[in-house]
Amino acid sequence: KQEVTQIPAALSVPEGENLVLNCSFTDSAIYNLQWFRQDPGKGLTSLLLIQSSQREQTSGRLNASLDKSSGRSTLYIAASQPGDSATYLCAVRGGTGRRALTFGSGTRLQVQP
Amino acid sequence: SAVISQKPSRDICQRGTSLTIQCQVDSQVTMMFWYRQQPGQSLTLIATANQGSEATYESGFVIDKFPISRPNLTFSTLTVSNMSPEDSSIYLCSVEKWARGEDSYNEQFFGPGTRLTVL
Repeated sequence: KQEVTQIPAALSVPEGENLVLNCSFTDSAIYNLQWFRQDPGKGLTSLLLIQSSQREQTSGRLNASLDKSSGRSTLYIAASQPGDSATYLCAVRGGTGRRALTFGSGTRLQVQP
Repeated sequence: SAVISQKPSRDICQRGTSLTIQCQVDSQVTMMFWYRQQPGQSLTLIATANQGSEATYESGFVIDKFPISRPNLTFSTLTVSNMSPEDSSIYLCSVEKWARGEDSYNEQFFGPGTRLTVL
């Protein structure tokens, strides 16, 4: 059974810092990996999707990498802003026909102005 | 992408009653999913809903407690039956869409969620 772990559980940084969020998964046979953002009491916003054949994806100040063989992904946020404060969730879609996502427990990020 | 709406956005219900949550998508999709997010927790899959077939439930979730309908390719409902305070959660609908480009892939998109409080 796929398990997804995110470290750290919470992170507080001053505005302007670059930061890295970590995600690990136990079964490397994945189809893709998605990073989401969730604001308090809200739904999920898809940030980046990395196919199993890809190594990284970039969108603006966000860069996500994937090392499938070691079961790891990182989300890099450059020049953090208070508006980046949210919970960041990593989710994997299995490669064995399971179409639903398995989620990590999230990293709660607070960017201090 | 996909635009997904859910109704209601939130509700406060009495123990023992039932609530039906609606999920509407702006385009036809094959796969729809219902997730639950309990307070302070991550998302857990309840069931997968395909049009024209019975929903497939995850371990720990049963049809009598969470009946699902999927009458067409743009709409689904989840009912939370005989509610107890332990059912207080955010319920989220998601869809899978096929993106075609240089690399074709499936991506999942989520609705805004329904925040349910059971007293």
